[in-house]
Amino acid sequence: DQQVKQNSPSLSVQEGRISILNCDYTNSMFDYFLWYKKYPAEGPTFLISISSIKDKNEDGRFTVFLNKSAKHLSLHIVPSQPGDSAVYFCAASYNYQLIWGAGTKLIIKP
Amino acid sequence: GAGVSQSPSNKVTEKGKDVELRCDPISGHTALYWYRQRLGQGLEFLIYFQGNSAPDKSGLPSDRFSAERTGESVSTLTIQRTQQEDSAVYLCASSLAGIDAYNYEQYFGPGTRLTVT
Repeated sequence: DQQVKQNSPSLSVQEGRISILNCDYTNSMFDYFLWYKKYPAEGPTFLISISSIKDKNEDGRFTVFLNKSAKHLSLHIVPSQPGDSAVYFCAASYNYQLIWGAGTKLIIKP
Repeated sequence: GAGVSQSPSNKVTEKGKDVELRCDPISGHTALYWYRQRLGQGLEFLIYFQGNSAPDKSGLPSDRFSAERTGESVSTLTIQRTQQEDSAVYLCASSLAGIDAYNYEQYFGPGTRLTVT
């Protein structure tokens, strides 16, 4: 029973363009959503988060959008840079637990 | 500054042997989490410590898995009688968050890659 789903295992985007990473969830009790970025052989690093009472949070090139009625969130990266190539994990929180998606590998093409 | 550290970084063991994985959290972080990531899958929650107590061990896959934490410091994850399906990257994270806190940012270590042959 996957409560957090990232349906695209990989995504390829041209440098300078917008990258859009998607995440769907099933549990309406989730109250906080986070995006983590992971490089090979390293642990995930926190990128950006959003509370369930908001629908948008922006931090520099990164914006997270939350659509509660659709139980969907997305991460927008604009403009995409080569250093953004990594695996991106969506995570949803309820109490102390983080439930993670399977990740989307983002490849930024020069 | 010092982040979360884990040791060993790689461990190859024979099926049936016991292994112990270590995590040193960021100093002052009260919460500590263990996760497992199998190849091609997302992060799977194993156990959470608040201080040295573990309010929820329900994520541990079987009774071969156990974990301890000394105060608000080092934690060890022990897998007894390892099986091939235990092969994964085991990640540790620490956080200032407690059950009633809303700071969910977790800081991860680099992980231990466990291979059971």
